[in-house]
Amino acid sequence: AQKITQTQPGMFVQEKEAVTLDCTYDTSDPSYGLFWYKQPSSGEMIFLIYQGSYDQQNATEGRYSLNFQKARKSANLVISASQLGDSAMYFCAMREGWTGNQFYFGTGTSLTVIP
Amino acid sequence: DTAVSQTPKYLVTQMGNDKSIKCEQNLGHDTMYWYKQDSKKFLKIMFSYNNKELIINETVPNRFSPKSPDKAHLNLHINSLELGDSAVYFCASSQGRTSFVETQYFGPGTRLLVL
Repeated sequence: AQKITQTQPGMFVQEKEAVTLDCTYDTSDPSYGLFWYKQPSSGEMIFLIYQGSYDQQNATEGRYSLNFQKARKSANLVISASQLGDSAMYFCAMREGWTGNQFYFGTGTSLTVIP
Repeated sequence: DTAVSQTPKYLVTQMGNDKSIKCEQNLGHDTMYWYKQDSKKFLKIMFSYNNKELIINETVPNRFSPKSPDKAHLNLHINSLELGDSAVYFCASSQGRTSFVETQYFGPGTRLLVL
């Protein structure tokens, strides 16, 4: 089974609107971390936000928030007030356990912000 | 200050050649990684080193050989380059292998084109 699933290959959003990018994960380890990265057309991978499995509250970083639903094993990224510069590929990733070294990445979602 | 740097940024070469990509991190991290991103943007882990010790060695052709002279450097040497090796290669680092809360930081990527 895939560790990380991103089911939206492409998404469009109007500028200034909010958008949710979906991510579901699969793990039996109670300790895990979930990460979102942004890859603009320039190619670099930019870390956006982190959520730990024991965190009681959803993570937020500026306009980014993570809608963490543990029972559903989902960790959706919410971008509020979309800007043209948000157009990029977005990757969800997971790391398991206290000694797990592997980061598992999803296939990514391409977001296009429409003016 | 660049946290994770890679050289070269672009690499265009002929089939059959041997090439190396260098990676350095100044974050004081113990663990470094090599990823390959194909034309469909899929990120595949190739190798990971922790304190110069190889800890992840995914199924990649043995033409690919990583070398870690110290924990701040992880180089990738590729022998007998093939057309299918054309991709973006990312170096990344994280604090260590002891916790799922540790974020992974990426270098800018090396765009390899094999002609």
